[in-house]
Order: sequence, then C-alpha cells, then structure tokens
Amino acid sequence: NAGVTQTPKFQVLKTGQSMTLQCAQDMNHNSMYWYRQDPGMGLRLIYYSASEGTTDKGEVPNGYNVSRLNKREFSLRLESAAPSQTSVYFCASSEASGTYGYTFGSGTRLTVV
Amino acid sequence: KNQVEQSPQSLIILEGKNCTLQCNYTVSPFSNLRWYKQDTGRGPVSLTIMTFSENTKSNGRYTATLDADTKQSSLHITASQLSDSASYICVVSVLTGANNLFFGTGTRLTVIP
Repeated sequence: NAGVTQTPKFQVLKTGQSMTLQCAQDMNHNSMYWYRQDPGMGLRLIYYSASEGTTDKGEVPNGYNVSRLNKREFSLRLESAAPSQTSVYFCASSEASGTYGYTFGSGTRLTVV
Repeated sequence: KNQVEQSPQSLIILEGKNCTLQCNYTVSPFSNLRWYKQDTGRGPVSLTIMTFSENTKSNGRYTATLDADTKQSSLHITASQLSDSASYICVVSVLTGANNLFFGTGTRLTVIP
C-alpha cells in the first residue's frame, strides 16, 4: 500500500518553462489536495478536488492549473514557471470529510531559475 | 483571522529528555486539531487528532493535550530519541468548507546524543 505517490521528487526549471507534477493515491479517497511549503510559512493550499470531476481554488492558486484525471490521480500544472514558484509541493488525500486526517506524499522540490 | 501559532520555532534537546511543544490558535468554528511529524525531505505524517470534546490523546511516546477554552494545545514527547528529530506541525480545521485546514509553521526539534 503506497499511499500517496508524487513524481518527480526534484525538478529544476527555467523561468517560463512549463511542467506537470503528478500525484496518485491508492486509498480510494474522494478528496485530493495540492499544497506548497515555503520556509517560515505553514503549508498553503493551492487547489483541491473534493471529488472526482470537481476542482476548486485554494489560498494561492495563481499561476497553477489542476486536473482530476480520475479518482486516483490529481495533477498540478505550471504553465509558465516563475522564480516565486520555487517551493516544495505536497499532494495529499483524505476521505470526504477529512475526519481521519490527511495522507501526504513525500513532496516535489521545485526550483525555478 | 484564522491563525495557528507554534512555539518555540526550534528546540535542541539531549537524547532521553522530555520536551513540550506549544500551539495556540484563533481558528473558528473549531472542528479538530492535529499534530503532524515531518521528517526532512518527507511529507507530514499524522501523530494525533483531537476533537472539541477530547483533551488528551496519546500515540506511543507522544501525548497531545487540548484546551478548547483557551485555544491551546501542546505536544509532549517523552524519553526523546534521535529519530524524533523532525518538524512538528500543528494543524487546526474548521467545520465548514473543503479548504478548512490551517497550518502552523512548525517547531523544528533536534535531538542530540
């Protein structure tokens, strides 16, 4: 049981390049989330998907797009990367209510130069 | 404004000693409070989750307390081990909405031999 799997683990991009961060969960969770973690700040929600077929903006959605491909997969796309998007990105999933907590992936460390 | 504040920012203790980490929050309406452990380069892993009616919850050497009246929580680590070196994040959730988690910035604990 792998939980939440993120790829890639590390990525360096040049300003203006695009890329997609992949996330898959095998716990049959309805809800999935993308967070970013920056030094000295708590995790901030970028986008979430409460259920298959739905996505909503979180606290910091600008510069990102998401796709809930199916119940298992939730991808995050940077169309034109900027240095301000240098961060560690975490995908998470939960059953619908989140009552029993969230399961996080191991993160993607992204550097935009 | 919904906020979660943790103290201290960092802490160094000797192996075998106990320590207590603090979390104060101004989140409303309160649903539950969770403590996560985040090892370097990894995603957060849930330690405990407490609802309004619970004032203590243990997970091995980790004991969390909650005072919903003063909006304070603590995480007590007993007989620390080198593997306890990590960041500990307090997360408070509200009752409404899918974007309902508020993260503290974490306490960085280092256990030295």
